[in-house]
Amino acid sequence: EAGVVQSPRYKIIEKKQPVAFWCNPISGHNTLYWYRQNLGQGPELLIRYENEEAVDDSQLPKDRFSAERLKGVDSTLKIQPAELGDSAVYLCASSSSGHNEQFFGPGTRLTVL
Amino acid sequence: ILNVEQSPQSLHVQEGDSTNFTCSFPSSNFYALHWYRWETAKSPEALFVMTLNGDEKKKGRISATLNTKEGYSYLYIKGSQPEDSATYLCAFPTGYSSASKIIFGSGTRLSIRP
Repeated sequence: EAGVVQSPRYKIIEKKQPVAFWCNPISGHNTLYWYRQNLGQGPELLIRYENEEAVDDSQLPKDRFSAERLKGVDSTLKIQPAELGDSAVYLCASSSSGHNEQFFGPGTRLTVL
Repeated sequence: ILNVEQSPQSLHVQEGDSTNFTCSFPSSNFYALHWYRWETAKSPEALFVMTLNGDEKKKGRISATLNTKEGYSYLYIKGSQPEDSATYLCAFPTGYSSASKIIFGSGTRLSIRP
């Protein structure tokens, strides 16, 4: 069974540029999470989807970040415009509804110059 | 504010030595504790899901214990090998379902010296 897939794995951009990350969760997992992990810290939740609905986006900086999961399967996280402080690893995870064990993708390491 | 702390932040161990590190979490409203191993450039991999006070789980040379009354879990690695080099994360769910927020520790970065 394929795990959580993320792309790209690495991205280097200049500040003020846009960037997008893609995630395909494990087949059948209704819940999808986007996390940001800053250096030396644990992952922090940005947004959680139940199917196509964003049910917790309280930690998403909505002035520059957006996300979508139009068909309730794969998802895209976008930053526009990127700032220096957005440099981090962006992790996607998925889980089955009703279970709190999450399965993670390899992450996208973003560097903003 | 719920806080999950891991110590030490980093650890350098000689190959063949045994080591351990700690995850501290709130002792009230306990649901489970998860341990993940995160190797560089790979996905965080689930190691253990601990649910009962006094639990001890083992996977090869790695084992974990749980004390929910005092709010800590230990992860032990016996006879460290270079492939054990990784960041070890613990995660504390605030409920049973996928809707529950999970609070992560900042991780222990383990390096094994050959």
